[in-house]
Parts: sequence; structure tokens; C-alpha cells
Amino acid sequence: LAKTTQPISMDSYEGQEVNITCSHNNIATNDYITWYQQFPSQGPRFIIQGYKTKVTNEVASLFIPADRKSSTLSLPRVSLSDTAVYYCLVGDYSYNTNAGKSTFGDGTTLTVKP
Amino acid sequence: DAGVTQSPTHLIKTRGQQVTLRCSPISGHKSVSWYQQVLGQGPQFIFQYYEKEERGRGNFPDRFSARQFPNYSSELNVNALLLGDSALYLCASSLYGQNTEAFFGQGTRLTVV
Repeated sequence: LAKTTQPISMDSYEGQEVNITCSHNNIATNDYITWYQQFPSQGPRFIIQGYKTKVTNEVASLFIPADRKSSTLSLPRVSLSDTAVYYCLVGDYSYNTNAGKSTFGDGTTLTVKP
Repeated sequence: DAGVTQSPTHLIKTRGQQVTLRCSPISGHKSVSWYQQVLGQGPQFIFQYYEKEERGRGNFPDRFSARQFPNYSSELNVNALLLGDSALYLCASSLYGQNTEAFFGQGTRLTVV
């Protein structure tokens, strides 16, 4: 089960790009990297998922180097509403096995200031 | 389409009691997972069910149990409640296994007094 390490907190200002890096040195071949966002008293919300290189969607980009031992979530031009906790997860995609367990760490609390 | 719905939203129980939490997944989703989130920490995986079978179990005592019904809804049961069981209990549903995109409900806030 790959363990992830993220910064506990980050501060940013509105309009800036924010990059949150996650370390997962023990990532396995079948593991995917997934990022979630969580606001207080709400369930986590899926942001983006990737296996290698770069993935981009309408809200974020995910950069994964060739060795896959880390990943970086990039949020372009953040706003106050992006203040939340961001979780990096690493887990096996093969749902047919009980090895497919994802673990949330304690996440990164991002505070966006005006 | 409705998202993942959980009931009740809030619950207060006394130590030693038993509690049942309910979850209805998004229509068409056959996989349901349960998580416990203690204040200030990330969600901790409890169970995953897929097609009514247990597919994964986290490091929780046997006081925790769950099941999935033919309509893919699910219940989480916790017996002999302890103060430390106070947490936000989250249900997530997905189309396949646990590590595809999961959609979370708003959670049930359980307080044990």
C-alpha cells in the first residue's frame, strides 16, 4: 500500500497558480494517482486522476514524472473558493482484488487569500 | 440525477449503543465504499462492496460491519459504540472498483456521548 506525503498547508493569493506536490516513493506498477478536494463538512470531490506524464481537465493539471515517485497538482488562477483540503491518493486500479485499497493521508490545507 | 445520498445527516448515540448508517449510490453505480473521517484527519477506508460482495476491508475492529443490498444501497453498522467512534462517516459510490472516480455523499455526522 503506497504511502503518500504532502505538505500540511499552503497559502496563496487569488489569481496565482498553485502547485501541490505529493510524494509516493513506493508506488506500484498498477497504481493510479488521484486527487480529491474537500470543503468542511462535505464529502471529498474528485479533481483529477492520472497514471503517467501529464493529465489536464477543466479545473486542474496533474504532472507525473517518469519514475512516478511523485506527482504535482496544478491549480491555475486560484480563487477564494478554492480554499479547501486537497488529498493525494495512490491505489490499484484492479477492482477485482482486495489490494485495491486507497488511503487518504491528512491532505494539504490550501488557503487562498484576497 | 441524484448524487450519493446518506441518512441520517446527524446522529447522537450513547456509548455501548448500536448504530446503522445508510447510503444510496448514484444510479448505475455498483460499488460502494465506506470511510470514517475524524476531525482534522483524512478519511480512513472501512469497507468496499462491489456487486453485493465485500471487496476490501480497512483496519477497523469487528464492531464495524456492512452489507450491500440487491439495489446496491448499503448499510454500515457499528456495535458497542465508543467515544472514539465519533466522526463523519462517508459513503462513496463508483462504477467499478474503488480506485476509479468515486463520488462521495455529504456524510453522516455521528456523535457518541
